[in-house]
Amino acid sequence: DQQVKQNSPSLSVQEGRISILNCDYTNSMFDYFLWYKKYPAEGPTFLISISSIKDKNEDGRFTVFLNKSAKHLSLHIVPSQPGDSAVYFCAGVPNTGNQFYFGTGTSLTVIP
Amino acid sequence: KAGVTQTPRYLIKTRGQQVTLSCSPISGHRSVSWYQQTPGQGLQFLFEYFSETQRNKGNFPGRFSGRQFSNSRSEMNVSTLELGDSALYLCASSWTSGRVEQYFGPGTRLTVT
Repeated sequence: DQQVKQNSPSLSVQEGRISILNCDYTNSMFDYFLWYKKYPAEGPTFLISISSIKDKNEDGRFTVFLNKSAKHLSLHIVPSQPGDSAVYFCAGVPNTGNQFYFGTGTSLTVIP
Repeated sequence: KAGVTQTPRYLIKTRGQQVTLSCSPISGHRSVSWYQQTPGQGLQFLFEYFSETQRNKGNFPGRFSGRQFSNSRSEMNVSTLELGDSALYLCASSWTSGRVEQYFGPGTRLTVT
């Protein structure tokens, strides 16, 4: 049972434009969310996180938005750069434990 | 500080065999988690070890097991390999167990023929 879903397997964006990656979750016990980025032949690297007490967290070009009522979060990258081309995973953590539940990933391609 | 290392990086095994994968966490990190990544399934949590004790376990059959040593290094074992076990196995370490950033290794690519 996939508790975190990333319904877009891939996304292409022009360099300099905004990239929006979406993530939906079903477990209402999730209260902490993270985004990871993965390049081929490397392990995922942490990008940004957000606690459920917030609805927005920003770090440079990366902003994560959380809509708890819709059980939806999104990652905005502005402006997008070719180096951002990677697979992006979102993850949720329930308040009942520490296990990370990852989505299936979205492959972002930023076209120069 | 050295990152998370995993050995071997690539492995080819035959159905029915068993395999052991190794993970060395970042120095000072006491929690190690293991994940299986397959196309279309994303990262599936296998288990987490903290101070040599299994803290959490994902929904995988008993053929998948692990352990952690006193120096925090961890091993994962899969017995009676099946074709469906072909995947990238990732380990991640963190300084403690909980909702803290996990640092991933490059993974071990296991192919079962």
